[in-house]
Formats: sequence, structure tokens, C-alpha cells
Amino acid sequence: AAGVIQSPRHLIKEKRETATLKCYPIPRHDTVYWYQQGPGQDPQFLISFYEKMQSDKGSIPDRFSAQQFSDYHSELNMSSLELGDSALYFCASSLAMNSPLHFGNGTRLTVT
Amino acid sequence: TQLLEQSPQFLSIQEGENLTVYCNSSSVFSSLQWYRQEPGEGPVLLVTVVTGGEVKKLKRLTFQFGDARKDSSLHITAAQTGDTGLYLCAGYNAGNNRKLIWGLGTSLAVNP
Repeated sequence: AAGVIQSPRHLIKEKRETATLKCYPIPRHDTVYWYQQGPGQDPQFLISFYEKMQSDKGSIPDRFSAQQFSDYHSELNMSSLELGDSALYFCASSLAMNSPLHFGNGTRLTVT
Repeated sequence: TQLLEQSPQFLSIQEGENLTVYCNSSSVFSSLQWYRQEPGEGPVLLVTVVTGGEVKKLKRLTFQFGDARKDSSLHITAAQTGDTGLYLCAGYNAGNNRKLIWGLGTSLAVNP
């Protein structure tokens, strides 16, 4: 069965650079979520989209932005990267807004 | 204040032992989900419980949703080394069905 696809799998950036993470949800899933997970921590909700519109906003820094495109894939844009942004970034999709989440394998971002 | 309290936070047991992980809240949840996450991978959905008092079994894993829909437990019988991982509970609060609330996770190590 198709799963949530994230790219890239690993990303190394320097401080103050920008990064773009991509997410392709499971076909027919209309809701996409972005999470940030630091070592030994639970996933921290950043932002979600339902039918290409932002549906909820969590602890996403102002330096980050995201959008969902007409084909339902989503991109997380991160600017002015800081060392503290180093983490695993997960995208998840669901069939509806209050349905279980299906996660991708994440993008490991390292900021040096 | 953590809306979903998970306990224990860490658990190290021998293969063949039984264990129970708890997920408690003072709030009512319309549904609760359990996920298992391995290092560097995205959380994988194990089960969703929606009805108070519901019990679901997945091979050696038994999930229970409290009668009042405020708590849940995960019981593993005869643990195996392959059960090692981070177990996360998450739920949709009855008052806000759009935002998934996460517990902090239980890190389980099953030793041979």
C-alpha cells in the first residue's frame, strides 16, 4: 500500500541557510500535518492543511512557512536556519481531519 | 500541563515478561490512538479506540479505552525484542476534534 513519502531523507544545512522539505500524502488523504521531533521528545505539531487550506497552526516559528498544493503534496519552507532547528521533521496525512495519522519516515535536518 | 500523561516513561524488561503502559487524562477524548516508533522512523499507527470500555487485540498487544474515555492502556504479553521502541498515545479531545494531543511516550527496551 502507498505510504506518505517525504524528501529528502537527510539534509545538512548551515546556519542562516534555507531548506525546503517535501511531503506526498497517501492518495485520497486530504489532510497533511507537519511535526518536528527532537531527540527523546514526542512529536511537536507545527502546522496542518485540509483541502489545501491551512487548518491549524502549532508551534511553527515565523521563519517557517508551509503550503499544500493542488496535487495535495505539501512543502515546509524553513529560512534563517538555526542550530536548534536540527531535528526530525515528519509529515503525516489522514483521510479526514479527525482520523488517525499516517506518518512518513521523516527528514532528518542537521544545521551546522 | 501535559493533557495526556503516559507512564512509565521508560521501561526495560526481559524477553517473555508482560508489561502495561498507561495513558491518562482528566479530559474526555473522542478517540485515542496508539503509535509505535522506532529510532529515525515515523510513528506507525497500531490501533484506534473510540468507544468507552472498548478492548482491541493485535496479536500479543491488548488495548483498552476507559469507560469514561479519559484513559487507555496498552498491555503486551510475552514481550519480544522486536517490541522495543517508543510507544506514543495520542487522542482527539472531545472539545477540539481538529488537534491531535500527544503523550510524551514510553520508551520500551526488551532485552534478550
